Amino acid sequence: DQQVKQNSPSLSVQEGRISILNCDYTNSMFDYFLWYKKYPAEGPTFLISISSIKDKNEDGRFTVFLNKSAKHLSLHIVPSQPGDSAVYFCAARSLTGNQFYFGTGTSLTVIP
Amino acid sequence: NAGVMQNPRHLVRRRGQEARLRCSPVKGHSHVYWYRQLPEEGLKFMVYLQKENIIDESGMPKERFSAEFPKEGPSILRIQQVVRGDSAAYFCASSPPGQGYYGYTFGSGTRLTVV
Repeated sequence: DQQVKQNSPSLSVQEGRISILNCDYTNSMFDYFLWYKKYPAEGPTFLISISSIKDKNEDGRFTVFLNKSAKHLSLHIVPSQPGDSAVYFCAARSLTGNQFYFGTGTSLTVIP
Repeated sequence: NAGVMQNPRHLVRRRGQEARLRCSPVKGHSHVYWYRQLPEEGLKFMVYLQKENIIDESGMPKERFSAEFPKEGPSILRIQQVVRGDSAAYFCASSPPGQGYYGYTFGSGTRLTVV
């Protein structure tokens, strides 16, 4: 049962443009959401998070939007840079749970 | 800078052998989590441990898999009698007490190949 879904396995964007990565979840108990970035042969590294009491969180070039009614979150990267090329995972959890549920990832390629 | 250290980075085992994966958490982190990533899939939770205690092993296969986090030394994920389906990347993560809700620090993973 995939509770967190990333329906786009890959995305290509020109350098300088906006990258939008999407994520959907099914469990209404989820109240904390993260995006992780992963390079090949490395572990995931934390990028940005958002609590369910917010609908937007911004950190430099990265913004995460949360639409609770649609059970949807998105990550915006503006402007995109070649170094952003990586696999991006969204993850979600509930306050009472012990684990994060991860999506299957979106591979972002930023073309110089 | 002592992040989460996992070893070995790559491990090849023949079917039926045992695999031992080690994880040293960030200094000061007493909570350890193991996740597995099968090819073309996301990370799946396996087990959550604190020093000398298994808190949640709901993601662990019932047979052949075990995990420990002793008072001294690294956390160990042990897979007995490995099968080809165990081939995956195994990631360990750690967090300070009470902070796991906000995310973890992951290691670089151990890539297990069963031949």
